[in-house]
Amino acid sequence: DIQMTQSPSSLSASVGDRVTITCRASQNISSYLNWYQQKAGKAPKLLIYAASSLQSGVPSRFSGSGSGTDFTLTISSLQPEDFATYYCQQSYSTSWTFGQGTKVDIK
Amino acid sequence: QVQLVQSGAEVKKPGASVKVSCKASGYTLTNYAIHWVRQAPGQRLEWMGWINGGNANSQYSQKFQGRLTFTRDTSATTAYMELSSLRSEDTAVYYCTLRAYDVLTGYSNWFDPWGQGTLVTVSS
Repeated sequence: DIQMTQSPSSLSASVGDRVTITCRASQNISSYLNWYQQKAGKAPKLLIYAASSLQSGVPSRFSGSGSGTDFTLTISSLQPEDFATYYCQQSYSTSWTFGQGTKVDIK
Repeated sequence: QVQLVQSGAEVKKPGASVKVSCKASGYTLTNYAIHWVRQAPGQRLEWMGWINGGNANSQYSQKFQGRLTFTRDTSATTAYMELSSLRSEDTAVYYCTLRAYDVLTGYSNWFDPWGQGTLVTVSS
């Protein structure tokens, strides 16, 4: 299986901060990389698909970049509703795998 | 936009089976691939497999081979996940989620939407 590793595992930030989360794949996955947001006790929500495409309805402060093995999710100006856990997921292999998650909490 | 509604929480004893349902509101699942993903307490999301909403063919993660069965009803509005020979490590929230099919581009490569999740607790 393709291993997905996120960094950091957690971070503390303030409202208005720029936040960057990275995701590394154990092999080349081209742009087959998605990002999800999960709030406590809720289902994941799709934010970014195909590495850089913003899902309909998702605020433009979220953006994704990267290809190959290294990817980034950026929140340009953190809002109170953005405190959550973020997961990357590869869809290159039909054995779909997720990163371990990055928890973003309030500083 | 299709919405997925899952069945309620379950408590099972080790060795038992559990069957979780996932109903699409107002839509049939014919043009979707229904995937199942679970999340043990404090753990990452784990993909389990998927069923083709049209022809009901399934693919299972090797980790669950022999214990896992996906089905869907004949009206193709509800999908089911059955996991047998339960052990404590199967305690998790189980989610259904969709990949949409388009005649021009095939299946999408991302999961959207998701059901609300079903907590399955395995305890003696």
